[in-house]
Amino acid sequence: EAGVVQSPRYKIIEKKQPVAFWCNPISGHNTLYWYLQNLGQGPELLIRYENEEAVDDSQLPKDRFSAERLKGVDSTLKIQPAELGDSAVYLCASSPGLGFQETQYFGPGTRLLVL
Amino acid sequence: KNEVEQSPQNLTAQEGEFITINCSYSVGISALHWLQQHPGGGIVSLFMLSSGKKKHGRLIATINIQEKHSSLHITASHPRDSAVYICGGSQGNLIFGKGTKLSVKP
Repeated sequence: EAGVVQSPRYKIIEKKQPVAFWCNPISGHNTLYWYLQNLGQGPELLIRYENEEAVDDSQLPKDRFSAERLKGVDSTLKIQPAELGDSAVYLCASSPGLGFQETQYFGPGTRLLVL
Repeated sequence: KNEVEQSPQNLTAQEGEFITINCSYSVGISALHWLQQHPGGGIVSLFMLSSGKKKHGRLIATINIQEKHSSLHITASHPRDSAVYICGGSQGNLIFGKGTKLSVKP
């Protein structure tokens, strides 16, 4: 069974440029998570989808970040415009059922560097 | 707002030692997660528990709901256990601690 796939694995952009990250969760998984991880910190939840619905996006900076999960499968996270402070690892995870009381399966992450 | 604290921040052990990593949280939670992050960055979910104890191989996770505390134990530690161990509590949201960096020396 394939794991959670993320692309790109690395991205270097200049500030004020847009950037997008893509995530393909494990087949059949209903819940999809996007996290941000800074160096030396734990993952911070940005948004959680249950099927197509964003059920928790309170930590998503909506002035510059947006996300979508079309047809309840793949998801895209976008930043426009990127700022220097956005440099971090962006992690995608999925779980089979709904809610937080499920084991999460993490992708390898996208390492973003904003210059 | 839930806050999650882990101790110690860094831990060095000799191969074969018994290891304990602690996790405390400030508000009631419905589930607690333990993650393992390898030096290359990959994250694996070790446990998700809401009460009692769970065991998988040499790893044991316990939780005390009343005391808002969880522990992760590693028996007969091995250099391949070297990683960052992260706990997180969920209750409407999911908050992770900063992690405990474990280094096991041969």
